[in-house]
Amino acid sequence: EDKVVQSPLSLVVHEGDTVTLNCSYEVTNFRSLLWYKQEKKAPTFLFMLTSSGIEKKSGRLSSILDKKELFSILNITATQTGDSAVYLCAVDPNTGGFKTIFGAGTRLFVKA
Amino acid sequence: DTAVSQTPKYLVTQMGNDKSIKCEQNLGHDTMYWYKQDSKKFLKIMFSYNNKELIINETVPNRFSPKSPDKAHLNLHINSLELGDSAVYFCASSNQGTYGYTFGSGTRLTVV
Repeated sequence: EDKVVQSPLSLVVHEGDTVTLNCSYEVTNFRSLLWYKQEKKAPTFLFMLTSSGIEKKSGRLSSILDKKELFSILNITATQTGDSAVYLCAVDPNTGGFKTIFGAGTRLFVKA
Repeated sequence: DTAVSQTPKYLVTQMGNDKSIKCEQNLGHDTMYWYKQDSKKFLKIMFSYNNKELIINETVPNRFSPKSPDKAHLNLHINSLELGDSAVYFCASSNQGTYGYTFGSGTRLTVV
């Protein structure tokens, strides 16, 4: 069965810390891996990764994929309280995006 | 101008009732989805529609019936509601072949 496993499940850090969130997956016919940020309501799209070793970056957030070891990491540097959210990792098992499989998420809390 | 809008935002109802949730997107996307997020934050695919056609029906009980009158709308009707149906239901949209959904703000369904 296809699955996506995220760790840790929750994390508490202080402002200014750097955090690394992990995502491992087992899917048939991998197509892409996506990261979302979910604050109070709807998840919002952060990154899509399809190739190994190519870092995607947006401000203080960056992510990289390892297709050989079947995992991805999401890094957040110089964390701020506004980074507090649930970070969701998702994988498309080559269904053309019709059936994205989500992990349980990592709940990040950044203390002031 | 909301991209993906769901109504209602909150729904509290008794077991055995029938209820509907509506979703509309104004992004011009050709694919729409229903996801269920349980109390542990797991997002699970229920249905995917592409150009009004059902593509994915992820072993959802027959009590759940989606309807897509056109590409911009995907409604969800639930018959004979059960306690286990309590969750947040998210509508989302995307274009086939591109990744990264745009989610609605969710409908929190509570069955009592």
